[in-house]
Amino acid sequence: GIQVEQSPPDLILQEGANSTLRCNFSDSVNNLQWFHQNPWGQLINLFYIPSGTKQNGRLSATTVATERYSLLYISSSQTTDSGVYFCAVEPYGGSQGNLIFGKGTKLSVKP
Amino acid sequence: DTEVTQTPKHLVMGMTNKKSLKCEQHMGHRAMYWYKQKAKKPPELMFVYSYEKLSINESVPSRFSPECPNSSLLNLHLHALQPEDSALYLCASSRGRSSYNEQFFGPGTRLTVL
Repeated sequence: GIQVEQSPPDLILQEGANSTLRCNFSDSVNNLQWFHQNPWGQLINLFYIPSGTKQNGRLSATTVATERYSLLYISSSQTTDSGVYFCAVEPYGGSQGNLIFGKGTKLSVKP
Repeated sequence: DTEVTQTPKHLVMGMTNKKSLKCEQHMGHRAMYWYKQKAKKPPELMFVYSYEKLSINESVPSRFSPECPNSSLLNLHLHALQPEDSALYLCASSRGRSSYNEQFFGPGTRLTVL
């Protein structure tokens, strides 16, 4: 099956710093989503981005489907950005809705 | 409104108990999902309902029994669980049968099996 690899696994930032999280996937995908899981377990939708570039405030994402990767940019990080960031993909030709998650990037933002 | 609700928030049960987890959405979505997430691991898909019919069952043990009474509700019935079933259970929904199939998640139920 498809492999989803996220890097780095852990990231510690000082408040105000910028960061880039990466998601590589091994096969073509129908859909790709980025989530932020807060300390209480809630998965918060960040981007639905099977291709192209999107921006939402301090966050932006780019997916290059032909090269099978996606990047999540966080600028001017805040302590509330701490948590785990997941990339999840729906494989092309697979069952609709079958989201496969990467192992996540754990982000800690220090004041 | 992009809200998916789940009850209860926390559940502690013994191995001989029968309990149910509930999930509800009012976004008009026609696909609903159950995921299981162990500590420090990513969510793993358990079941998918599409138009109230079970379309994916990821080889889940029969002690987990899903039910979709209508397009807005999804239940997960639990019986004779094992301690290793302790986890965060997440419900999600999406439009279904659409090229735009973004999934939205509920806050989860933290289950502890004693």
